[in-house]
Amino acid sequence: EAGVAQSPRYKIIEKRQSVAFWCNPISGHATLYWYQQILGQGPKLLIQFQNNGVVDDSQLPKDRFSAERLKGVDSTLKIQPAKLEDSAVYLCASSRRANYPSSYNEQFFGPGTRLTVL
Amino acid sequence: GQQLNQSPQSMFIQEGEDVSMNCTSSSIFNTWLWYKQDPGEGPVLLIALYKAGELTSNGRLTAQFGITRKDSFLNISASIPSDVGIYFCAGFYRSGNTPLVFGKGTRLSVIA
Repeated sequence: EAGVAQSPRYKIIEKRQSVAFWCNPISGHATLYWYQQILGQGPKLLIQFQNNGVVDDSQLPKDRFSAERLKGVDSTLKIQPAKLEDSAVYLCASSRRANYPSSYNEQFFGPGTRLTVL
Repeated sequence: GQQLNQSPQSMFIQEGEDVSMNCTSSSIFNTWLWYKQDPGEGPVLLIALYKAGELTSNGRLTAQFGITRKDSFLNISASIPSDVGIYFCAGFYRSGNTPLVFGKGTRLSVIA
């Protein structure tokens, strides 16, 4: 079974530029998550999708970040315009279904995209 | 928001030694997950715990869900060089539709 795929793996941009990340979750996983991981910290949830609907985007800086999952499969996360403090690893994860019993909540992560904003 | 206190922050051990790390919270959690992250990679799920008191093993790794529901620990026996990495605890706290909360990680270094 293929894991969570993400691209690109690395991106370097200048501040005020735009950037987009792509994620393809594990086949059959209904729930998709985007996390931001700053160096030395654990991942922090940005947004959670259940199929193509947003479940939680309370920690997404909506003035510059946006995300979509139009067909309930793959997803894109965009930053426009980027700031220096957006330098981080952006992780995508998926699970079979959030808030179902036990193992359905287990989240599996992709390799991440390392963003550097200069 | 909810926070998980993970300790120690870092460890240096000799190959073959056993390792113990833990995670505590001021709130009740109903699921604990332990992940390992290698440099340049995403976290990989090691062990999942769903019931208070549950003790689960995965090879040389053993984790327990504390009976108070506010803590969990991870033990690694007979460490080897490939155990090097950052170990994260994560959990869902007990209040319905809540996000997965992560600790800040324990960085493990193994000296051959």
